[in-house]
Amino acid sequence: DTGVSQDPRHKITKRGQNVTFRCDPISEHNRLYWYRQTLGQGPEFLTYFQNEAQLEKSRLLSDRFSAERPKGSFSTLEIQRTEQGDSAMYLCASSSWNQGAQTDTQYFGPGTRLTVL
Amino acid sequence: DQQVKQNSPSLSVQEGRISILNCDYTNSMFDYFLWYKKYPAEGPTFLISISSIKDKNEDGRFTVFLNKSAKHLSLHIVPSQPGDSAVYFCAASVETSGSRLTFGEGTQLTVNP
Repeated sequence: DTGVSQDPRHKITKRGQNVTFRCDPISEHNRLYWYRQTLGQGPEFLTYFQNEAQLEKSRLLSDRFSAERPKGSFSTLEIQRTEQGDSAMYLCASSSWNQGAQTDTQYFGPGTRLTVL
Repeated sequence: DQQVKQNSPSLSVQEGRISILNCDYTNSMFDYFLWYKKYPAEGPTFLISISSIKDKNEDGRFTVFLNKSAKHLSLHIVPSQPGDSAVYFCAASVETSGSRLTFGEGTQLTVNP
């Protein structure tokens, strides 16, 4: 399977604990995105990397959240001092800029479901 | 500020008939539009997209129509099949600005046998 993979698929933690999620993008994709989805809503953008550079962060990404993509391949998203409001599905997507079509189609992984007790 | 809206939370159609899902947007800078399908406990699956330079794109049973003057797009599924039952999200981006996707709230499509 050469799609986007995410690990773990589910995480249950207690309030105040730190959690880290991993995303492995499609191998030839140079762009990687993190989104968060809560029940009944569409995914909301969190942050975006082009290669190893983090180019954009949403204001949703408080200082408790940090993301890295150290070698331009896989990425990690860490949440420190988790709160109950952090409970959501965290989605990773990857893409490759199509110079000819001037488009960028994102392909999503299965997500990590976080539950903060 | 909800820049992409799907006003119908749910839609029910009979197998074999046409399903039409609608989406409206407010940001005139959006120039690329996508539809994703999502099953419970899975990530969104890309279905079809359209660039703002076109007004129609077709892929098998799926056709997306874009009306830029009305800031409206729609997804037509013909014929609808029970396996199409899922939540459908429309999304939009400004391709020249990093391509972050802005999603609508989703429409639950149910196709009845």
